[in-house]
This record gives sequence, C-alpha cells and structure tokens, in this order.
Amino acid sequence: KAGVTQTPRYLIKTRGQQVTLSCSPISGHRSVSWYQQTPGQGLQFLFEYFSETQRNKGNFPGRFSGRQFSNSRSEMNVSTLELGDSALYLCASSFMSYNSPLHFGNGTRLTVT
Amino acid sequence: AQTVTQSQPEMSVQEAETVTLSCTYDTSENNYYLFWYKQPPSRQMILVIRQEAYKQQNATENRFSVNFQKAAKSFSLKISDSQLGDTAMYFCAFMKPLRGANSGGSNYKLTFGKGTLLTVNP
Repeated sequence: KAGVTQTPRYLIKTRGQQVTLSCSPISGHRSVSWYQQTPGQGLQFLFEYFSETQRNKGNFPGRFSGRQFSNSRSEMNVSTLELGDSALYLCASSFMSYNSPLHFGNGTRLTVT
Repeated sequence: AQTVTQSQPEMSVQEAETVTLSCTYDTSENNYYLFWYKQPPSRQMILVIRQEAYKQQNATENRFSVNFQKAAKSFSLKISDSQLGDTAMYFCAFMKPLRGANSGGSNYKLTFGKGTLLTVNP
C-alpha cells in the first residue's frame, strides 16, 4: 500500500508570492491533516479535513488555507508569503477509526527568500 | 490548552545500550492518547508507540516501551538494545479523545513536544 505522498519535496519562493502544496493520503484514508515544522516553533497543527470539510484549524493567519477533494487528496495554499513561512510542511492521513494513528508523508520543504 | 514538554534537547547512547527519553504533558482531560514519533533525516514522521490514557498497562513495541505515569503526567520512552538506525529526532505527542467521525468538530490533532535528538554511537 502506498504511503502518504507529498509534492513537491522542495520549493523556493519569494516574498509576496503564493504557493500550493499537495498531499495524497493512503488509499482509504479520509482524514488529512497539515502541520508546519520550524526549528523555533516545532511542529504546529495547521488544519484537518475530513470528507472535504475542514473540521479543525490551528492558530495560523488566514493566508493559510486548504481544501480536500472528493478522492481525499488535499492541497494547502499559502498566499502573500513571508520569510517566516519557511518551514517543512507535513501532511498526515488517517482512517479516523478509534485505533487508527496518523501516517505522515515526507513533507515539503518550503524556502521563502 | 494542552502542552507537551521534552526537557532533553539532545541525548546520545552507545549501540546496544538502553536510553530513556522524557516527556511530560499538561491537560485537564481524563481520557486522551499519547504517542512517540520518530523523525529520521528522511523527514518522515514514523509512529513508534502509542498509549491510551485509560489503559494502566504500559505499551511496548519490540525494543520500545513506555513508562506512563498518569498522575504525574509523565510519558517516557525507553529504547532497549539501541541500534544505529534509532538515530533520529523523537517527538512526544498528545491527542484529546476522538469525537465521532460525523460530529460537527474534530479533536483529531496532535500537540507535539519540541523533540529530543537521539544519537546512537557505534
């Protein structure tokens, strides 16, 4: 069974631009979550989607948005990029059953210059 | 809000020896889940072990075991017979109880500690 796939692996953008990151969950998983990882703040929850609906959101500005498609694939968008948005963005999927853990992808390394 | 604290930014251990990573957390919940994740240089977060708070028995997975002290809000990870492949960042994580999949909201998010970089030396 294929794991969680995130594309692209690396991305370099300049301030003010926008970026879209993609995440394909494990087949059959309907919940997709996004996390931002930085050396200073560690791992922080961005949002979680289930059946195309955002069900939970972390404390990030409105420049961070996401969506989930009917096939459970998810995209995350960051508009008006700032230097502080440079981070590793991790996507995780889950079957959302009682005993089902989160399975993470390899992440997208975003560098904002 | 829940917080997770890992007080050891870095640790090292000799191959084949045992090492314990510390984690404490703060919550007012009575029921919750605790996890240890490993992040090697490949960047992928890998689940090492999980514990449900209502279970008194400490979880074990092969060479990995936890010491869960609910009253003290402590959740340490013990790695026995350390191997070179255990070198990684280790994150302790907390999750509140799941709500139903069709409920209006979701608790399905992890609160992570800052991590402990473990180096296994040959």
